Amino acid sequence: GQNIDQPTEMTATEGAIVQINCTYQTSGFNGLFWYQQHAGEAPTFLSYNVLDGLEEKGRFSSFLSRSKGYSYLLLKELQMKDSASYLCAVRDWGSSGGYNKLIFGAGTRLAVHP
Amino acid sequence: GAGVSQSPRYKVAKRGQDVALRCDPISGHVSLFWYQQALGQGPEFLTYFQNEAQLDKSGLPSDRFFAERPEGSVSTLKIQRTQQEDSAVYLCASSLGSDRSSGNTIYFGEGSWLTVV
Repeated sequence: GQNIDQPTEMTATEGAIVQINCTYQTSGFNGLFWYQQHAGEAPTFLSYNVLDGLEEKGRFSSFLSRSKGYSYLLLKELQMKDSASYLCAVRDWGSSGGYNKLIFGAGTRLAVHP
Repeated sequence: GAGVSQSPRYKVAKRGQDVALRCDPISGHVSLFWYQQALGQGPEFLTYFQNEAQLDKSGLPSDRFFAERPEGSVSTLKIQRTQQEDSAVYLCASSLGSDRSSGNTIYFGEGSWLTVV
């Protein structure tokens, strides 16, 4: 089966750095996504990793280790507007019967305070 | 349109009422997904369409839930005899391709917020 784990809640200070971890188990790994979701809004795409290593995009970076089933999202220079839920999602091919299926974790609610 | 469009944005239904939620994906997108997101949770997979074919409906919680995409574009998620536990946001997403090496871009709609009272 598939399982995705991430912390439920995190808090951080404006201007600081925060790392949100995600571990996963899946039989047909075909990429890992991070989405940001503000309350009452749809998820918005942040990053995508399919190979091991670090992907950097401005203040956001995402890391993947396929052998460990592990990823993290790193947010630098935190701003108040970064307060949101961060969703780790794994794209699974093998267990879905021939298509790419996106499976989400429960999300990490990040609160940034002054 | 430029993005995935869903309607209605908000729906309040009385318990036992039938509801229909519409998704208009980006033109030309082959893959279409429906997800259910309860408050404080991540989206849960409901069903997947490749063009007009419903290839996976394993996530539909009961036989009261039905989805269709008859012409391979617009999709409708229907919930019969709604119950309070059906209250959630229903998200539609689409992507251009369907093969294993498809790109990484999956577009989400704004969601339909269903409250059953």
